Amino acid sequence: GESVGLHLPTLSVQEGDNSIINCAYSNSASDYFIWYKQESGKGPQFIIDIRSNMDKRQGQRVTVLLNKTVKHLSLQIAATQPGDSAVYFCAENFIKFYFGSGTKLNVKP
Amino acid sequence: KAGVTQTPRYLIKTRGQQVTLSCSPISGHRSVSWYQQTPGQGLQFLFEYFSETQRNKGNFPGRFSGRQFSNSRSEMNVSTLELGDSALYLCASSLGLAGDGEQFFGPGTRLTVL
Repeated sequence: GESVGLHLPTLSVQEGDNSIINCAYSNSASDYFIWYKQESGKGPQFIIDIRSNMDKRQGQRVTVLLNKTVKHLSLQIAATQPGDSAVYFCAENFIKFYFGSGTKLNVKP
Repeated sequence: KAGVTQTPRYLIKTRGQQVTLSCSPISGHRSVSWYQQTPGQGLQFLFEYFSETQRNKGNFPGRFSGRQFSNSRSEMNVSTLELGDSALYLCASSLGLAGDGEQFFGPGTRLTVL
């Protein structure tokens, strides 16, 4: 099957700094990508999505970058806050969704 | 608008038993997808239902099955439970097909198989 992987399993940042979470995807035909945030004991929460016809999309404090040449996706969180501490997943869609294993973001006060 | 709800939230079963999990999507959503989440394998796609029809299926044995009702509510069933079936089972709903737009996840059902 297809696989979606993450470069860093754990990321620690200082409150107020910017965070960058990376993801490599394997299927060049994937046309839709989503970043999710999952807090302990909860289901994944949609953060931001991007389609393959775009290379950048911005939301509130978050930006997703898509590099189709190297099949790489990143999530940038500006001015990281303690409430951003969670596990972040990327997901790619080609017929169905495939999820990365997740990166745990620790925000130090 | 109420979110995706899943029942029960926690379940303990023994090997060989069968279990049925329920998912109520957001009102108006026609697609329900099911996922299994484990520490070792992460989130894995089980199946997607849209308008009572199974649209896609993941790589799980036939012991895992599901259905969707006319009101878009969905159930998944696991028969002959194995220890390895212990996991968090998540459902997600979307307005259209899952790949067409945002999916909203429920809180999950934590299944423990003893």
